[in-house]
Parts: sequence; C-alpha cells; structure tokens
Amino acid sequence: EPEVTQTPSHQVTQMGQEVILRCVPISNHLYFYWYRQILGQKVEFLVSFYNNEISEKSEIFDDQFSVERPDGSNFTLKIRSTKLEDSAMYFCASSEYPPANYGYTFGSGTRLTVV
Amino acid sequence: GEDVEQSLFLSVREGDSSVINCTYTDSSSTYLYWYKQEPGAGLQLLTYIFSNMDMKQDQRLTVLLNKKDKHLSLRIADTQTGDSAIYFCAESSSSNTGKLIFGQGTTLQVKP
Repeated sequence: EPEVTQTPSHQVTQMGQEVILRCVPISNHLYFYWYRQILGQKVEFLVSFYNNEISEKSEIFDDQFSVERPDGSNFTLKIRSTKLEDSAMYFCASSEYPPANYGYTFGSGTRLTVV
Repeated sequence: GEDVEQSLFLSVREGDSSVINCTYTDSSSTYLYWYKQEPGAGLQLLTYIFSNMDMKQDQRLTVLLNKKDKHLSLRIADTQTGDSAIYFCAESSSSNTGKLIFGQGTTLQVKP
C-alpha cells in the first residue's frame, strides 16, 4: 500500500536554529498538508498546499514557517528560527482530491525537540 | 469557531463493545472522520461518514451521526487488544481546502 514517508523520525535542534522536515507524499497525490501535535494536545492544522502554492494556512503558520515542493517528489516544512514551543510531532499528509472524502494518508511523523 | 471535542480515555474488556463519542461545532462540515493512531505510527483513516448519512457500518465499526446534536460516535464491536490506540474524531473544514479539525483523541485501553 502506498505510504507517505517522513524523515527524520526524530530531530533535536537548538533554539534559534533552522530545521527542515522532509516528506515524500504518495506519487499521484496533488494536495499536501502539514499538521502538528504538541504533546498532550490536539492535532493542529498548519498548512495546505496545491498547485505549488499555499491554499490555506493557520494562525500558527507565521513568517517563521515555509513550505516547498522543491522537486516532483518531496514536500518540506522549514522552520527558520526554532523556539521551544515548536517542540511537537509534525505530520505530513497527502490526498488525491479535496476535500478529503477518501481520507488523507498521513506519514508517521517527525518528532521535533527544541532545546 | 470550528471545534471538536472528545472524552480522553476509555477502558473496556476484550470482547466487549467500545463506544467513543465526539461532538463538533461546524454544522457545515461535509465529512466526519475517525482516525486511529498506534504508538509510534501516523494517523490511519478508519472510516468516514458523509454529513447526510445517519449511520455507516464497516465490519466491526459502526459510525452514528446525529447532525441535530452535532454528535458523532464510533462503536467497535468485539473489541480486541489490538484495538488499543488513540482514536481521533475530525471534521472537514468549511473552507474546502481539505483542512481537517481534530479532536484531542480518545485513548482506548483494552484489557484482556
């Protein structure tokens, strides 16, 4: 069964450093998403991406965040200057159609720890 | 604003039925979903229901939707220890960009 692959599974970074979280969505999917889950809290929407541009972003997704699809297969989330409160599990997802009536496929997540 | 709420914990005995409940606020949601998260894994779509349906059954899973009360439930029949996981309710946002609004997840503990 096709999978969404996220790397690394765990990243530790110092406060103020830049991090790039990587995702390889399912190859025929056209819609891409990032969500995050702070420990003990809800899964929160960050951003949706289609046709090489952001279609919606949340209040969390401020100027410190950016997304990119640098080639035909990767989808990345960059945090320019990490803060302690960015520590969370970050999930990438992709879907063939929106709204996701067939459901997204989520990756296993990257646990980001900012120290 | 859009919000989804779930109870945090449910414990059942193996073989019993489990019922996980969820309430949501956005009456314009078109789809409602149940996702399962096992330790160390991503979010796995279990089932979804379209907002004009009352019920959907898929093997051991039954989803009930009360649109008037904005209440969604997931019933797992003959619960097994392998069903132990966190179950998330989610609704599709009215923005039509594919955004999902998640609840905080219900931890299901199945005792042998």
